[in-house]
Amino acid sequence: AQSVAQPEDQVNVAEGNPLTVKCTYSVSGNPYLFWYVQYPNRGLQFLLKYITGDNLVKGSYGFEAEFNKSQTSFHLKKPSALVSDSALYFCAVRDRGNTPLVFGKGTRLSVIA
Amino acid sequence: DAGVIQSPRHEVTEMGQEVTLRCKPISGHDYLFWYRQTMMRGLELLIYFNNNVPIDDSGMPEDRFSAKMPNASFSTLKIQPSEPRDSAVYFCASSQTSGGHYEQYFGPGTRLTVT
Repeated sequence: AQSVAQPEDQVNVAEGNPLTVKCTYSVSGNPYLFWYVQYPNRGLQFLLKYITGDNLVKGSYGFEAEFNKSQTSFHLKKPSALVSDSALYFCAVRDRGNTPLVFGKGTRLSVIA
Repeated sequence: DAGVIQSPRHEVTEMGQEVTLRCKPISGHDYLFWYRQTMMRGLELLIYFNNNVPIDDSGMPEDRFSAKMPNASFSTLKIQPSEPRDSAVYFCASSQTSGGHYEQYFGPGTRLTVT
């Protein structure tokens, strides 16, 4: 069975500093990995995905994520955080079959001015 | 495209009443998912459809919950009778498997309050 772990419920970072939101996964075979962001009273918005190819994936709003197969991780990163990045972030995984995404519990990012 | 459309955005009802939530997926998408989000349990998958056929409804909490997808552009999630513990935000999402697209696109959600 597939699973995702987001070990931090909350991440606090100062505006302008780099940010990292951690995600590790478990899946049989090669994974498809995703990051979503949820702003208050909104649905989840797709940020980026890793399917195959380059381990560093670039997505929306300046976010990127690095796929590390040996560590089964897919951490979300941004070089310089903005206050407007404050939101709830979800990591998700699926295997190569026709299965739905399995979501982590989410990490709340707070960027402080 | 307008994205995934859900209605109503907010629903307040009394315990015992029937509630129907509606979803219009993105045109051309062949998968549709219903999720429930609460503070306690996070994001839970309730049921999903492929080409209008229910594939897995193991996440549906009880027989009080039912979902249908009569055609490619419409789905409903019904709760009958509703209970206070059903209060949550219900999301619909759709995805397209052709062309290597696997990400799901979410609607804005329906916030359900059962008093």
